[in-house]
Amino acid sequence: DGGITQSPKYLFRKEGQNVTLSCEQNLNHDAMYWYRQDPGQGLRLIYYSQIVNDFQKGDIAEGYSVSREKKESFPLTVTSAQKNPTAFYLCASSRGTSGGNEQFFGPGTRLTVL
Amino acid sequence: AQSVTQLDSHVSVSEGTPVLLRCNYSSSYSPSLFWYVQHPNKGLQLLLKYTSAATLVKGINGFEAEFKKSETSFHLTKPSAHMSDAAEYFCVVSIIGGSYIPTFGRGTSLIVHP
Repeated sequence: DGGITQSPKYLFRKEGQNVTLSCEQNLNHDAMYWYRQDPGQGLRLIYYSQIVNDFQKGDIAEGYSVSREKKESFPLTVTSAQKNPTAFYLCASSRGTSGGNEQFFGPGTRLTVL
Repeated sequence: AQSVTQLDSHVSVSEGTPVLLRCNYSSSYSPSLFWYVQHPNKGLQLLLKYTSAATLVKGINGFEAEFKKSETSFHLTKPSAHMSDAAEYFCVVSIIGGSYIPTFGRGTSLIVHP
């Protein structure tokens, strides 16, 4: 089955630690996205990538970093510089960033800072 | 530029009664419009999309939406609510052609009473 996988489903981190969230897709999509979701705030864009080896900051990129070394993979690192990282993180992909393309979402990773 | 406003943060209905979730958009160009559904602690799933074809769009699970350019609206409806429809719903706008990152509404929580 084609789709997007995110791991782990739940992640706990101590303050001051970096942590990496995994996102893999086998849909052969060019574009990939990371969103953060907090209660009552909808989805906020962290980073997106339109093609391998290229990525752009979204609305709330501070304290996060990404890489796009392979088409199917777009890992997100939450660094110690992110002051309030506890949230639900969603990865998505689409054929491209042309407006008619719908996004396909992974199941999400819930990150909790202890 | 593009923006989207979901007019209700919460909508409460009884099982078997109609559902109406309201969405207004603003776009400088021809828009693409989407509705996604998110069940608790899950990723988002596409319900339906409009990309300049028929103005009445039918989606999954009995949902439909009508694109009204004069009212800049794309409201989501269902004739009869089911308990399994209880979820968060997101209206999303993008722009046909070019390269545009989708803009998400803040979401509407649908509550279905027995």
